[in-house]
Amino acid sequence: DQQVKQNSPSLSVQEGRISILNCDYTNSMFDYFLWYKKYPAEGPTFLISISSIKDKNEDGRFTVFLNKSAKHLSLHIVPSQPGDSAVYFCAAKNKNAGNNRKLIWGLGTSLAVNP
Amino acid sequence: NAGVTQTPKFQVLKTGQSMTLQCAQDMNHEYMSWYRQDPGMGLRLIHYSVGAGITDQGEVPNGYNVSRSTTEDFPLRLLSAAPSQTSVYFCASSRQGGSPLHFGNGTRLTVT
Repeated sequence: DQQVKQNSPSLSVQEGRISILNCDYTNSMFDYFLWYKKYPAEGPTFLISISSIKDKNEDGRFTVFLNKSAKHLSLHIVPSQPGDSAVYFCAAKNKNAGNNRKLIWGLGTSLAVNP
Repeated sequence: NAGVTQTPKFQVLKTGQSMTLQCAQDMNHEYMSWYRQDPGMGLRLIHYSVGAGITDQGEVPNGYNVSRSTTEDFPLRLLSAAPSQTSVYFCASSRQGGSPLHFGNGTRLTVT
């Protein structure tokens, strides 16, 4: 039972346009969300995070939006660049899981930014 | 600044063989963990450690052992490899359990 769902396995966007990657979750106890980016043959790298007390967090070209009532978050990349082509994972933490809070991962969305 | 280093990058084993996947980090992180990534399954936690001498099981611990004798190293042992353990294995570390993870580049293991 996937508690973190990334319903789009893939997304294709033109260079310079906005990329929007979506993530839905089912557990209302999740209070911290992270996005990781993964290139082929490399490990995931942390991109951006958001706490449930916020509804937006921005870091350069990357912005994450959180809609708690809809249990939905999205990652916006503006403008998209060919180097952004990667698999993007959404992950969440449960506030009741203690200090060793394990991440619950989505299955990822493969983004292709076309020149 | 090496970060998290995993060795080997690739490994082929026969069913029943044993091996150890090595993981070392040079960031003085307390928290270390092992994940496996399989198609359609996402990243699944195998074992984790919150500090030297302390380990605990994740979602899919069966068939794997770990130890944490130093802060830097967190090896993953397969005692008797099975084809179901064919996967890509990632080691990750963080300053503490709640911090963003730093991942190694993975070990691709095939068990025939």
